Amino acid sequence: EVQLVESGGGLVQPGGSLRLSCAASGFTFSDHYMDWVRQAPGKGLEWVGRIRNKANSYTTEYAASVKGRFTISREDSKNSLYLQMNSLKTEDTAVYYCTRRAFDYWGQGILVTVSS
Amino acid sequence: DIQMTQSPSAMSASVGDRVTITCRASQVISNNLAWFQQKPGKVPKRLIYAASSLHGGVPSRFSGSGSGTEFTLTISSLQPEDFATYYCLQYNSYPHTFGQGTKLEIK
Repeated sequence: EVQLVESGGGLVQPGGSLRLSCAASGFTFSDHYMDWVRQAPGKGLEWVGRIRNKANSYTTEYAASVKGRFTISREDSKNSLYLQMNSLKTEDTAVYYCTRRAFDYWGQGILVTVSS
Repeated sequence: DIQMTQSPSAMSASVGDRVTITCRASQVISNNLAWFQQKPGKVPKRLIYAASSLHGGVPSRFSGSGSGTEFTLTISSLQPEDFATYYCLQYNSYPHTFGQGTKLEIK
């Protein structure tokens, strides 16, 4: 059974940093591109970014709203995906989901609140 | 960036109704489009991928069509569990972009 479990969320002040993790199981994690999607309270879904697999040099893509502030990485030996979030803004407050490239499996989501 | 415009933004319908939601892309995206259903407080669920392919386990009353810039999600006979918010997503180019959502409510 495919499972994706996010962790690392919480309350952070504007300008601060936070790192989210996503633990994957039930599939060959190293073969898959992985994505992050977020949803601000009461708002729609927003694609955040993607990391490709080793065969594609772990290259990344980002939404304009997070480019230069967020970094997606992965550790295939630990079946783990990460989202390093720096220079956080109040508008980054959202539930963050990790998902496979095909958007067929999603984690349960983790809340990040940016507030003073 | 490709803009995805869903219509309507909200609608009300009755159990048994046939419902169609439209998603228009600002550029040609071939058939690189997916549809998702999200209920309050829950994780989005993929319904359709490649514009018209049904995700495993999704009831056959859901169908998708379209190519290029115009796409539709059709629910042939609404069931009580179908009242939710629906989103389209283009994955033809980066950044991937979602439609703003269509909230389907009970009439």
